[in-house]
Amino acid sequence: QKEVEQDPGPLSVPEGAIVSLNCTYSNSAFQYFMWYRQYSRKGPELLMYTYSSGNKEDGRFTAQVDKSSKYISLFIRDSQPSDSATYLCATKTSYDKVIFGPGTSLSVIP
Amino acid sequence: DAGVIQSPRHEVTEMGQEVTLRCKPISGHNSLFWYRQTMMRGLELLIYFNNNVPIDDSGMPEDRFSAKMPNASFSTLKIQPSEPRDSAVYFCASAAGSRDTQYFGPGTRLTVL
Repeated sequence: QKEVEQDPGPLSVPEGAIVSLNCTYSNSAFQYFMWYRQYSRKGPELLMYTYSSGNKEDGRFTAQVDKSSKYISLFIRDSQPSDSATYLCATKTSYDKVIFGPGTSLSVIP
Repeated sequence: DAGVIQSPRHEVTEMGQEVTLRCKPISGHNSLFWYRQTMMRGLELLIYFNNNVPIDDSGMPEDRFSAKMPNASFSTLKIQPSEPRDSAVYFCASAAGSRDTQYFGPGTRLTVL
């Protein structure tokens, strides 16, 4: 079993839709949870960073962590064509390296 | 700040040749990471340095891979000899500290024929 699993997609939605991206992880010691966005032929860039369970909102983006079920979600409201990218979830303990999921490819159609 | 700089952006080489990838981290960052990204395996950490010292190289696939960081502003990842299965995008990332946010470079797309 991989430490972090993610549906690779591709996911295609119309502009303005609410997008839900999800990950599961296996190690209950993970405490830090991140979402990275990667545009085609670019490096990943940090989008959201949360610690432990709960929600964090930043503009149109909401990250949600449920440690009891080892489930991580990213919601995008009012999706835009510029949101088209691959989204990688990532997690780590307080002292260990970051483990990335394989990424979900998202296309927002105008 | 220019961000993390990687060179070359693209490299095409033949099997058996030596390949050297270069990275300049963000000034002031003390941690540097080398990743490899493929469709099959996703983004994998190969090695990371803290204050120019290799801390964890458990992700380096085999002895053909080596990495150095001679100073705080430069690192290399070398593959010798290269094989077709090394074809991937190699990213360098830097962070203020090993637990801090990592900033990725644009990557080097390596093709080994």
